[in-house]
Amino acid sequence: GAVVSQHPSWVICKSGTSVKIECRSLDFQATTMFWYRQFPKQSLMLMATSNEGSKATYEQGVEKDKFLINHASLTLSTLTVTSAHPEDSSFYICSAREGGSGRETQYFGPGTRLLVL
Amino acid sequence: AQRVTQPEKLLSVFKGAPVELKCNYSYSGSPELFWYVQYSRQRLQLLLRHISRESIKGFTADLNKGETSFHLKKPFAQEEDSAMYYCALKGNNAGKSTFGDGTTLTVKP
Repeated sequence: GAVVSQHPSWVICKSGTSVKIECRSLDFQATTMFWYRQFPKQSLMLMATSNEGSKATYEQGVEKDKFLINHASLTLSTLTVTSAHPEDSSFYICSAREGGSGRETQYFGPGTRLLVL
Repeated sequence: AQRVTQPEKLLSVFKGAPVELKCNYSYSGSPELFWYVQYSRQRLQLLLRHISRESIKGFTADLNKGETSFHLKKPFAQEEDSAMYYCALKGNNAGKSTFGDGTTLTVKP
């Protein structure tokens, strides 16, 4: 099946710094990628939908200036957490959508654990 | 608004017993429903979708529009079925998916 990678798998940073997380579809092209955030023992919360070549669509309550998303190519989307604070510490998961209408499948990355000190 | 409810956070059964993981949804249109599974230390992956009407690893799920449910069932649970299961709904507005809180299934020997 299709594979989605994320880099880095974990990152520790100081408060106030910015962190970039990459999401790549390795063997397919994805016009749409999704970014999720998962708190311990909780469900995945959709943060934004990333569309190649256009602006991302953010969910209500997600600050677009805080979580910058760039989907520059059909295989790469990046999430930058700007001026990170301890409350941004979380598990960030991306997924990429493959396939046409009715047969779309979402493939998930392994996640990136962010710890802001 | 679209919402997915998985009422059981934890579910424990013995090997060979039937298992049913409940999922109820709320959506005004015609949704697509999915079950995703996450095994220990692995990434989330698609288990099955209602459109396909397929059986994967012995699991089936039927969409009941009257009860707005999409329960996941398996007649004889196996130890390797132990995992976290998420029910998800994809609406027809921009195609985003909403996930339930997940159910942790433990199959005991």
